[in-house]
Order: sequence, then structure tokens, then C-alpha cells
Amino acid sequence: DIQMTQSPSSLSASVGDRVTITCRASQGIINYLAWFQQRPGEAPRSLIYTASSLPSGVPSRFSGSGSGTNFTLTISSLQPEDFATYYCQQYNSYPFTFGPGTIVDIK
Amino acid sequence: QVQLQESGPGLVKPSETLSLTCSVSGFSLSRGYYWGWVRQPPGKGLEWIGHIYYTGTTNYNPSLESRVTISVATSKTQFSLRLTSVTAADTAVYYCARWVGVQTFDSWGQGTTVTVSS
Repeated sequence: DIQMTQSPSSLSASVGDRVTITCRASQGIINYLAWFQQRPGEAPRSLIYTASSLPSGVPSRFSGSGSGTNFTLTISSLQPEDFATYYCQQYNSYPFTFGPGTIVDIK
Repeated sequence: QVQLQESGPGLVKPSETLSLTCSVSGFSLSRGYYWGWVRQPPGKGLEWIGHIYYTGTTNYNPSLESRVTISVATSKTQFSLRLTSVTAADTAVYYCARWVGVQTFDSWGQGTTVTVSS
């Protein structure tokens, strides 16, 4: 199985801050990397697919980059609704695996 | 717009079988894509369980493969999850989701909590 790690595991930030989360795969996954946002009590929501593409309806303050084994999710200007947990997920090979999550909370 | 909704017992006894159904509206399963399950133990991260193509082709997480069956109903408006010989470690919120390939999981159910306890 491909192991996914994320850093940091949690961070505290203020509205308007720029936030960067890192995801690393234990082996190369080309660009088959997605990011999901999960608010408490809700289902995950797709933010990024193929490392840097945004689904329709996702605000442009979210961006993703990377390829191979190293990836980043950036929120350019944190908004109140962005306080949540963020997961990366690889889908280059079965079984699909998720990172452990990064909690973004209010400073 | 596709919508997914999980249903099933919220409490299952140890060693018994967990059975959940996902009802899909706004999209017929026979039009394509993969339909699957992801779970989340309390306070923990996400675990992919497996998925099925409408033709019946399945892919399962090897960690669960010996206990898991995912199937599509003949109506092509529902698919289901069966997990046998459950233990407390199977206690989780179970989500059904549509996997569309390059755009990965694009639609999710709201999730249903299943507790394994006697």
C-alpha cells in the first residue's frame, strides 16, 4: 500500500492568513493526488484533483501543486468557513489511501 | 445532480454482519462510474473500503477484502455494503461515494454511524 503522510498535523491561523499543508506519498503517484475538506459532522468535500485542478464551485483561494511524491495545498487567504480538517488522498493505485489529516483551527 | 443517502442499522453485535445500502438519485448507476464506501472511525481519518462498477467489477481494500462484499441492486438505483464478522474496530461513520476516475470522489452521502457493541 502507498502510505500518505501530512504535515503539520494541526495548525492555528487567523482569517486572512496564507496557509500551506504538505502531503507526501511513500512512492511516486504521478499527479493522482486529491485534497478533501471535512468540517465537523459533515462528509468530505472535494477541493483539488490531479494535484492542482479545482472542481467546479471551489473558491480560487484554494490551490494545489506537486507531482511524484511531494504535494502541497495552499489557501491564499483563510476564510471563516475554511476552519476544518484537510485530507490528501492518492488514487494512482489500489488500495486508495488517505493522509491522516491536518486540522486547521482558529488562532 | 446526483445525491447519495446511506441507510442501515446503527448498532450491530460483534461477530455479526454489517449491512448498509446507499440510495442514489439523479443518476442511474448503469450510466457508469464506480460506486463505493469509505469509513471513518470516531476521531480518526478516512479509510477506503472498496467500490463497484455497474457491470459488477469490484475493487476492495486488501485489509478488509476477506470480509467485504459490495453489490449493485438490479434496480440500478442502490448499491450495498456487507461486512462480516464485525468487531469494535469496525465502529465508524460509513460514507457511500461516487468515484469518477480522474476527479476521484465527487459526490458523497451524508454518512451513517455504525456502532459494534453487544
